[in-house]
Amino acid sequence: EAGVTQSPTHLIKTRGQQATLRCSPISGHTSVYWYQQALGLGLQFLLWYDEGEERNRGNFPPRFSGRQFPNYSSELNVNALELEDSALYLCASSWMAFFGQGTRLTVV
Amino acid sequence: GQQLNQSPQSMFIQEGEDVSMNCTSSSIFNTWLWYKQEPGEGPVLLIALYKAGELTSNGRLTAQFGITRKDSFLNISASIPSDVGIYFCGAAYSGAGSYQLTFGKGTKLSVIP
Repeated sequence: EAGVTQSPTHLIKTRGQQATLRCSPISGHTSVYWYQQALGLGLQFLLWYDEGEERNRGNFPPRFSGRQFPNYSSELNVNALELEDSALYLCASSWMAFFGQGTRLTVV
Repeated sequence: GQQLNQSPQSMFIQEGEDVSMNCTSSSIFNTWLWYKQEPGEGPVLLIALYKAGELTSNGRLTAQFGITRKDSFLNISASIPSDVGIYFCGAAYSGAGSYQLTFGKGTKLSVIP
């Protein structure tokens, strides 16, 4: 059984650009959770999708958005990138959080 | 919002020593989880606890769900170099369709051979 897969593994963007991160949950899991892990700040909850609907979002500005597709894969979009958006973005499958390896986003 | 206070923030120990870390909260949870994250990887679930007072082991790892439902600890016995990493606690009050984890800020473990 394949685990949670995320792409790309690394992404470098310029301030002001948009970034799109992708996640495929474990087969059969309908929930996807997105977390931001910035240096020294632990895991900050971003968004929760289940059955194609956004169920909850964390304390992040609206330029962080996403969606979940009918096959339960998900995209996280970050618009108008700022330097402090540089972090490891983790996707988790199911509420018990089976994590992917993350996308390292660097904003320069 | 809910917060988990995880301590210590970091630990340097000699190989073979035992390790203890804990998480506390002012809120009640009905699930506690412990994860390990190695560099460049996502966190991996180590132990899940579902009942107050529950004590669960996974090899050299032992975790307990506090009786007050507001805390949990993780012990690692006879540490080895591959125990190096960041350990996170996670807690949830799952029910009524709401399933969302809150995480501690992690304990960074370094093992000196």
